[in-house]
Amino acid sequence: GQNIDQPTEMTATEGAIVQINCTYQTSGFNGLFWYQQHAGEAPTFLSYNVLDGLEEKGRFSSFLSRSKGYSYLLLKELQMKDSASYLCAVMDSNYQLIWGAGTKLIIKP
Amino acid sequence: DTAVSQTPKYLVTQMGNDKSIKCEQNLGHDTMYWYKQDSKKFLKIMFSYNNKELIINETVPNRFSPKSPDKAHLNLHINSLELGDSAVYFCASSSGQSYQPQHFGDGTRLSIL
Repeated sequence: GQNIDQPTEMTATEGAIVQINCTYQTSGFNGLFWYQQHAGEAPTFLSYNVLDGLEEKGRFSSFLSRSKGYSYLLLKELQMKDSASYLCAVMDSNYQLIWGAGTKLIIKP
Repeated sequence: DTAVSQTPKYLVTQMGNDKSIKCEQNLGHDTMYWYKQDSKKFLKIMFSYNNKELIINETVPNRFSPKSPDKAHLNLHINSLELGDSAVYFCASSSGQSYQPQHFGDGTRLSIL
């Protein structure tokens, strides 16, 4: 079966750095997405990785290792507004998006 | 504003009723989706339409019927609502290219009494 694992919840301090991991087992791979979802709101797109390596976009970076079935989202200089759920999603060989259950990130002052 | 818009935002109704949720996108996308997000926040695909044709129909009860009058609209009709249908339903759209992200509507919060 297809499976995406990410931690249920993480806590970090304002101004710090946090890394949210995602491991996946899917039938084929056509890219990995990270989305942010604030409580009561819609998911919004953060990043896309299809090749191995690090993609940097401001305070957020996303890393992919296809051989290990592994990705992480790195958030730097954490702000209170970064408190949200972060969803990892993988596009499989049928171009279907398989979603993880999300990681709830709590930022403390 | 270019966006995915869905109505209503909140829907409170009795068990056994029939209800519809509407979705429209003005992004020029070819593919539209319906997702269900339950209390555990797990996002589950229900349906996907590409140019008005159904391409994904996950195992959902046949009480749920999507209707796509044109590629900018994908409505969801639900018959004989049950308590377990209480959830947030999200509409989304994408260009259909694998590297392009999906854009989500604000969600419809469905509560069954």
